Amino acid sequence: GEDVEQSLFLSVREGDSSVINCTYTDSSSTYLYWYKQEPGAGLQLLTYIFSNMDMKQDQRLTVLLNKKDKHLSLRIADTQTGDSAIYFCAERTGGKLIFGQGTELSVKP
Amino acid sequence: NAGVMQNPRHLVRRRGQEARLRCSPMKGHSHVYWYRQLPEEGLKFMVYLQKENIIDESGMPKERFSAEFPKEGPSILRIQQVVRGDSAAYFCASSYSQGATDTQYFGPGTRLTVL
Repeated sequence: GEDVEQSLFLSVREGDSSVINCTYTDSSSTYLYWYKQEPGAGLQLLTYIFSNMDMKQDQRLTVLLNKKDKHLSLRIADTQTGDSAIYFCAERTGGKLIFGQGTELSVKP
Repeated sequence: NAGVMQNPRHLVRRRGQEARLRCSPMKGHSHVYWYRQLPEEGLKFMVYLQKENIIDESGMPKERFSAEFPKEGPSILRIQQVVRGDSAAYFCASSYSQGATDTQYFGPGTRLTVL
């Protein structure tokens, strides 16, 4: 079946790196995504990775994909208080996205 | 270059009433998706539509819920005879096509409260 799992909470200090982890089940997924949701807002696409890639870097964001273990991670370097939000990973199956339950990132000054 | 528009942003209904949620996709996008986010949960896929066609409705409840995307105008998600359990944030997303490279861009959501 289709299932995406994430840890629910992560707390870091400003300036540290944050690593948010995600596991998925559908090995046929072609793209995997990271979205950010701030309180009361919609989802903002942060980055995505194609399933034949191991890593993708975009400024402060690094995505690592272990396709064998179906494990995806998002690393945020030099985390800022403005990064506090809920982060969702999602796998694409056909036309639809299957989301994890979200990881709430709290950044303390 | 307007993004995905949803209205209303907040909707309050009493049990038994109807709720109509609207979504205007990004300019040039012909694919629309609806997702529901229950409190403290992630987003769950409901339905995927192209103009005048329902492509995948595997996530839609069997009763009371319907969706359309007419040739002209916004996509509509309609909930008849709402119940308290329908209270949630409903998000619409759009994409240019269904290609593997096509990203879904999300609107700000409609927060439905059923009293």
